[in-house]
Amino acid sequence: SQQGEEDPQALSIQEGENATMNCSYKTSINNLQWYRQNSGRGLVHLILIRSNEREKHSGRLRVTLDTSKKSSSLLITASRAADTASYFCATDGGGSYIPTFGRGTSLIVHP
Amino acid sequence: NAGVTQTPKFQVLKTGQSMTLQCAQDMNHEYMSWYRQDPGMGLRLIHYSVGAGITDQGEVPNGYNVSRSTTEDFPLRLLSAAPSQTSVYFCASSHLISGDLSEQYFGPGTRLTVT
Repeated sequence: SQQGEEDPQALSIQEGENATMNCSYKTSINNLQWYRQNSGRGLVHLILIRSNEREKHSGRLRVTLDTSKKSSSLLITASRAADTASYFCATDGGGSYIPTFGRGTSLIVHP
Repeated sequence: NAGVTQTPKFQVLKTGQSMTLQCAQDMNHEYMSWYRQDPGMGLRLIHYSVGAGITDQGEVPNGYNVSRSTTEDFPLRLLSAAPSQTSVYFCASSHLISGDLSEQYFGPGTRLTVT
């Protein structure tokens, strides 16, 4: 069963706007990760946030984590057409070594 | 570093045929894994390994075998291909930090069609 679920499934915005994607999961975690996948390619790691962290930044990316609600969000600020991709959250399995991925959010950024 | 490499990129099999998908990493990662990705779905874990000589089942292991004789290589074997195994397969690797799974590095994928 998949533990991470992203919301929304699809997001269409204009260049320069911010994009926010949400992820919910079901069990305990040690960390949660966000990945990007361009069409027809492998996944690329974006950011990892540990269970004892509440917020993390990397360039134009901001990730928050609320372990009490078992949810995380990814904010991409000042989006660019090159940000067009699918974005996935993944739990680390909480020590089980079985990470689980959500179905992803498909982001389209119009130039 | 080449990172994670996978071969082949594309493969067409007939039902009942067997084949091996190759995966190698040159980052000395302890953890290696195989996923399948189906349309509209996230990735589902097939098998994983936390070190040479150690393998274990993921969410969807039926119909697949793996082995880990070296740190670098983690081949995935389809024993008797079925149309339900038509999918894109990704290999990934990661360090284990204090026993926790860290960021995963993915290969480019193998697109498999079973007719």
